[in-house]
Amino acid sequence: NAGVTQTPKFRILKIGQSMTLQCTQDMNHNYMYWYRQDPGMGLKLIYYSVGAGITDKGEVPNGYNVSRSTTEDFPLRLELAAPSQTSVYFCATLLGDRGFFGANVLTFGAGSRLTVL
Amino acid sequence: AQKITQTQPGMFVQEKEAVTLDCTYDTSDQSYGLFWYKQPSSGEMIFLIYQGSYDEQNATEGRYSLNFQKARKSTNLVISASQLGDSAMYFCAMRGYTGTASKLTFGTGTRLQVTL
Repeated sequence: NAGVTQTPKFRILKIGQSMTLQCTQDMNHNYMYWYRQDPGMGLKLIYYSVGAGITDKGEVPNGYNVSRSTTEDFPLRLELAAPSQTSVYFCATLLGDRGFFGANVLTFGAGSRLTVL
Repeated sequence: AQKITQTQPGMFVQEKEAVTLDCTYDTSDQSYGLFWYKQPSSGEMIFLIYQGSYDEQNATEGRYSLNFQKARKSTNLVISASQLGDSAMYFCAMRGYTGTASKLTFGTGTRLQVTL
C-alpha cells in the first residue's frame, strides 16, 4: 500500500517549457487535491477533484490544468512554465466527505520540488 | 471565504518545556474542522491533531493538545515536554465546505525550534 505517490520529486524547467506532475493513489479515495507551497509559506489550493471526470479550480489555478480520468490518477500540467511557478507541489487525497464527524484527514504525497529558470 | 492566521513566524522553546502555537480563523460556516500539521525539514506533511467545531472538549493526542476557544475563533496548539524532534514548521488548517467539496485552508505556519 503505497498511499499517495508523486513523480518527479525534483525538476528544473526553463521558462516556457511544459511538464506534467504525476499523482497516483492506491487507497480508492474519491477526493484529490493539488496544493503548492511557496518558500516559507503555507499551502495554497490549485485544483481539486471529487471523482473521476470531475475537477474544479481552487485558489490559484492560473497556469495549470488537471484531468481525472481514473480514481487513481490526478496529473497536474504546467503548459508554459514561469518563474512564479517555482514551488513545492503536494498532491493530497481524502476518502470522501463524511461530514464533520471525525477527523477526515488529508493524506499527502511527499511533494514535488519544481524550479523554473 | 475562510481564513487562517498564524501570527508567530518563529518560536523557540527549550527541551522539555511546553510551547503554545497560536492560530485564529475566520469562517461563516456553522460546522468546520480544525487541523494541525507538522512539516519537518524533510518536507512531508504529518497530521497531528483535529478539533471539530461542535466538539465540547479540547482535543488531545499524546503530547499535543488544543486550546479551542470557539467564541474567540482560536485553536492554539500546545506541545508539552518538547523534544528536539519537534523542531519543524507547524501549520494550522481549517476544513469547510465550499462549492462541491470540502477543502483545507492553511495558515502561513510557525517555525518551531527546540533548543537544549
